[in-house]
Amino acid sequence: ETGVTQSPTHLIKTRGQQVTLRCSSQSGHNTVSWYQQALGQGPQFIFQYYREEENGRGNFPPRFSGLQFPNYSSELNVNALELDDSALYLCASSFGLPVRNTEAFFGQGTRLTVV
Amino acid sequence: AQKVTQAQTEISVVEKEDVTLDCVYETRDTTYYLFWYKQPPSGELVFLIRRNSFDEQNEISGRYSWNFQKSTSSFNFTITASQVVDSAVYFCALSPNTGNQFYFGTGTSLTVIP
Repeated sequence: ETGVTQSPTHLIKTRGQQVTLRCSSQSGHNTVSWYQQALGQGPQFIFQYYREEENGRGNFPPRFSGLQFPNYSSELNVNALELDDSALYLCASSFGLPVRNTEAFFGQGTRLTVV
Repeated sequence: AQKVTQAQTEISVVEKEDVTLDCVYETRDTTYYLFWYKQPPSGELVFLIRRNSFDEQNEISGRYSWNFQKSTSSFNFTITASQVVDSAVYFCALSPNTGNQFYFGTGTSLTVIP
């Protein structure tokens, strides 16, 4: 148990729809990073939030957006879903920056299937 | 550019055998960190080790050991006397001094056969 909770665990959506994924970070952690892991691939960085502000973004289009709340939980929103968005979405919580200086704890992920 | 290569896609070993997982990285940063994570079927990434680019000492933790060689840009992971519970996908990752993200390799799926 890492103390990082993601919901829902599984989700099926239709192409063109919108989806919101949620992440509750470990207590005391103020940094949340989101990753997309396609089948058979390594996780790819989507973006990171630190103290409610976006702090870096990977090579993902603007239809991927996020939020971090005052309690440091976070949401990942994806608009206009495409088939290629089917993946495991992982969030990682850590304390402070940069994340390489601390241990990042990952949740079990949300498996998104777009049909 | 930042890149991590794990050339071994899948490895199968018989229980109690030793196994080495290879990791080669590319970065122009002089300061960076390297990581290994384990991903069991449940999906979460479990932290195994973090290594600073200035620390080339090999590390041993129980049955696990890591060999960091800056000259060959490699950070290999060895499991000694493998066990069925070691079956998982293992990821090597790089976090350079510039930026706050991890760059992951494509992972090595390890199966330990009883």
